[in-house]
Amino acid sequence: GAVVSQHPSRVICKSGTSVKIECRSLDFQATTMFWYRQFPKQSLMLMATSNEGSKATYEQGVEKDKFLINHASLTLSTLTVTSAHPEDSSFYICSASGDSDQPQHFGDGTRLSIL
Amino acid sequence: DQQVKQNSPSLSVQEGRISILNCDYTNSMFDYFLWYKKYPAEGPTFLISISSIKDKNEDGRFTVFLNKSAKHLSLHIVPSQPGDSAVYFCAANGRVGKLTFGQGTILTVHP
Repeated sequence: GAVVSQHPSRVICKSGTSVKIECRSLDFQATTMFWYRQFPKQSLMLMATSNEGSKATYEQGVEKDKFLINHASLTLSTLTVTSAHPEDSSFYICSASGDSDQPQHFGDGTRLSIL
Repeated sequence: DQQVKQNSPSLSVQEGRISILNCDYTNSMFDYFLWYKKYPAEGPTFLISISSIKDKNEDGRFTVFLNKSAKHLSLHIVPSQPGDSAVYFCAANGRVGKLTFGQGTILTVHP
């Protein structure tokens, strides 16, 4: 089946640091990638939709200057958490879809801990 | 506003028996529904889906039922196996790509 790789799996860093998370589709071209955030014991919340070669579409309440998304190719999207603070600590998961008829396939997520 | 709800936070089933996971939604614009399985520290894995034009889809031990009039779907796993123990999320798609997830149900299958 389709494979989505997300890196790194875990990040621990100091407050004020910017953190970049990569999401790659390994065996298919992903025209659209999605970034989700999951708080403990809660559902996955969509943060933004990323389309190759265009600006990301952010969900209401998500700061686009805080969470920078770049989708430079059909196989790679990156999420950069800028000037991270402890409240940004969370589990971030990306997903990718080849086309609208296919289900989204998810990466294994990144556990971000800001000290 | 929780548009997709999984009202049972957990379910415990004996090995070999049927597991039934339920999901309700409120948005009548949803036209495609999916179930994902998630282990700790991993991303969700796609299990099975159903289009709104169908009322049943079966794949091996997994069957998803959709009742559009009740805005309800369920996932049946039979027979249940200990390896099925995980968190199960239902998700709904209302426009291209955007998924709305339920809160998840923790399934525990006892040997």
